[in-house]
Parts: sequence; C-alpha cells; structure tokens
Amino acid sequence: DVKVTQSSRYLVKRTGEKVFLECVQDMDHENMFWYRQDPGLGLRLIYFSYDVKMKEKGDIPEGYSVSREKKERFSLILESASTNQTSMYLCASISRGGNQPQHFGDGTRLSIL
Amino acid sequence: RKEVEQDPGPFNVPEGATVAFNCTYSNSASQSFFWYRQDCRKEPKLLMSVYSSGNEDGRFTAQLNRASQYISLLIRDSKLSDSATYLCVVNRGYYRGSTLGRLYFGRGTQLTVWP
Repeated sequence: DVKVTQSSRYLVKRTGEKVFLECVQDMDHENMFWYRQDPGLGLRLIYFSYDVKMKEKGDIPEGYSVSREKKERFSLILESASTNQTSMYLCASISRGGNQPQHFGDGTRLSIL
Repeated sequence: RKEVEQDPGPFNVPEGATVAFNCTYSNSASQSFFWYRQDCRKEPKLLMSVYSSGNEDGRFTAQLNRASQYISLLIRDSKLSDSATYLCVVNRGYYRGSTLGRLYFGRGTQLTVWP
C-alpha cells in the first residue's frame, strides 16, 4: 500500500512566522501535490512537483513556496503565515502516467493565530 | 466554468435506501475518473475508479457517459457507515504539456444515512 506521511496532524503558529509542512511518500512516485481544503471551497491545488527540484504553481500559490530536494519529500512553506492560511493541508502523490488515482496523507490542520 | 461540478447535497436517507450522486466535467479530453470518499476531518480516500463500460463494487455502481461528460455513483442498501462526503474526481491526463496526473475535484456531495 502507498504510504504518504505528513509531519504533523495539528499545528498552531503565529502570524508572521515561517511555517514548514513536510510530506514523505514511500512509493517512488514522481508527482507530488499540496492542496488546502476549506469548508464550501473543496480541495484547491497550491503547488505540485513532477520531479526533483521541479515545481509548478497550482491554482492558489500566493503566500506559499515549495521545495523538492529528494524524490520522496515535498515541503510546503508559508513564508510569512497569515490568519487566512488557517486550513486543512493535504499532500498527495501519484506515479507518472496520468491515469492513476492520487494517494493522500492524513492532512495537517494548521491554525494561524 | 468549473472543471468538475456536483450537487453539494446534503442527501439525508434512511438505512436501506438507494441513493444516486451525479457529476459533470467540462473538459472533453479528460481521461480517467474516480469517486473518492471523505469522512469528517479525514483525508480523501479512493472509493472506486470509473470505467467507460460502468463498474460495480459490492453495493456501489459507477457509470460514465463520455458523450454527456457525466459521471454517476449509485449506492444501494445504504448503511450508516456510508455517511460521508463523496468527491467526484477527473484526471485530464495532460497538464502543461506533460502526462502529469493532475486531478480536478468536485466540491463533494454530503451523504447522511440515518437509522
């Protein structure tokens, strides 16, 4: 079974802090994704990566950056956290090929105070 | 126009009922289709893939109509444990020139099954 692991289930940070969310997958997947999910808005794609050191903006990249130094690890960075970034963050991975389902981590519920 | 649209519900049905969810997608080049299930405060999990010929998994039946760009999920003999949000998901297959597995999610349909 594919395992996608997110570093924290719950996280509380303060406005202006730099926040790191880590995601690791164990299936040698090329493609990894970061989403946020908010009530009434569904899942929204923040960034994705299709290879080491490669990244592409999703639909809502503003206020975020990412890092993919190793194939198994994809990090989401909130450069200067703001209260409107309080959300559920979900990491996912998928193998190359385009027709496979994504596998999700457990999610990180982030609160910015 | 959104890539994937689905009725948000909520659907409230008694145990044993049959319930159907519908979904439409906007991009005719979409290549693969899925239904995910998401329990409250949990991550989405794959329920089933959807194939052109239609497919069944126990009490769950998924149908795809490519001409109408329409996907459906039928749940028969509903159980209390079926209460969740059901997400319709489409993979366009190609994104910015690559065969990247970018998925597009509907906002989900909420189902509550009551005793």
